Amino acid sequence: KQEVTQIPAALSVPEGENLVLNCSFTDSAIYNLQWFRQDPGKGLTSLLLIQSSQREQTSGRLNASLDKSSGRSTLYIAASQPGDSATYLCASEETSGSRLTFGEGTQLTVNP
Amino acid sequence: NAGVMQNPRHLVRRRGQEARLRCSPMKGHSHVYWYRQLPEEGLKFMVYLQKENIIDESGMPKERFSAEFPKEGPSILRIQQVVRGDSAAYFCASSPLPGLNTEAFFGQGTRLTVV
Repeated sequence: KQEVTQIPAALSVPEGENLVLNCSFTDSAIYNLQWFRQDPGKGLTSLLLIQSSQREQTSGRLNASLDKSSGRSTLYIAASQPGDSATYLCASEETSGSRLTFGEGTQLTVNP
Repeated sequence: NAGVMQNPRHLVRRRGQEARLRCSPMKGHSHVYWYRQLPEEGLKFMVYLQKENIIDESGMPKERFSAEFPKEGPSILRIQQVVRGDSAAYFCASSPLPGLNTEAFFGQGTRLTVV
């Protein structure tokens, strides 16, 4: 059974700082890994999807990496802004079209 | 493309009543997934459906919960005889055919409160 863990559970940083969010998974036989953002009381917004054959994906100030052999993914946020404050979730998909297994999330606060 | 639409956004039910949550997938998506997020917890998978077919219901509680995705109309998650522990945010996600390795798109969720 796949288990996904995110560290840290909460993170508070000053504006402008670069930061890294960590995600680990127990079963390395994943199909893809996806990072989401969730704002309070809102739904999930997809940020980046990394296919199992890929090592990283980039979108603007976000960069996500994937190391299947070690069961780890990281989300790097450059030059953080207060608007980045949200909960960040990672989720693995074991096979094509199967369920997503989510981590508990990292609650990020970027202070002006 | 309106995205994944869930309604109602908020639902209040008294203990023992029935709750019906609706999800309309994105246009062109034939796969629907339901997830539950209990207070202060992560999202947990409940059920995966295609049109007129339940593919994986391993995350559904054995009693009181059911889901359907009819040929016409939205997917429905039905909770009978609700209890306080059912209070949570219920999210629906949709995707196109498997094998395309595309991201999952989520609705805004239905927040169920049982009083």
